[in-house]
Amino acid sequence: AQKITQTQPGMFVQEKEAVTLDCTYDTSDPSYGLFWYKQPSSGEMIFLIYQGSYDQQNATEGRYSLNFQKARKSANLVISASQLGDSAMYFCAMREGDDYKLSFGAGTTVTVRA
Amino acid sequence: DAGITQSPRHKVTETGTPVTLRCHQTENHRYMYWYRQDPGHGLRLIHYSYGVKDTDKGEVSDGYSVSRSKTEDFLLTLESATSSQTSVYFCAISESVNRAQVSLTDTQYFGPGTRLTVL
Repeated sequence: AQKITQTQPGMFVQEKEAVTLDCTYDTSDPSYGLFWYKQPSSGEMIFLIYQGSYDQQNATEGRYSLNFQKARKSANLVISASQLGDSAMYFCAMREGDDYKLSFGAGTTVTVRA
Repeated sequence: DAGITQSPRHKVTETGTPVTLRCHQTENHRYMYWYRQDPGHGLRLIHYSYGVKDTDKGEVSDGYSVSRSKTEDFLLTLESATSSQTSVYFCAISESVNRAQVSLTDTQYFGPGTRLTVL
């Protein structure tokens, strides 16, 4: 079974607007971490934001925020005030406490229009 | 940015030849990982290391071996490359691997990647 599901293959957003990228996860481990990465066309994987399963508040990091709904098992990334440089593939990933690996979703391509 | 380099960045080789990819870090992190990225499969863990000379298999380890003789270096070897190993290979590092409570220090930071083509 898929541990991470990203249902939006691609999205378009107007510059300066906000965009929400969906991520749902599946785990029975009470300890887990959720991570979002950005992969621009140049290919590197850039860490954006982290949310722990025991965290009471939603994570924020500059223009990135994470809408963490534990009961729904969702961890949506919100990018505010989109910039042209935000055009990239975005991956949601999870590390369960009992494992070393990150499990990745299929990714969402974001294209920011001027 | 985490100090992680990978070499080579691009390589074309022929089926049956041995290939070694190198990952070098300057962060003194204990944990290191090798992933491969393929269309339709996302990133998948090949092998990981939890210390010098301490390594273990990931989910797609067949055909790969690793070695870690120093904290800063983690080598991935394809003993006899096959076309199915054509992929982009990423090295990653993390400061910690907490089990009871996954934390920010468990974040895996990735190197720039190596694009390997096996003809």
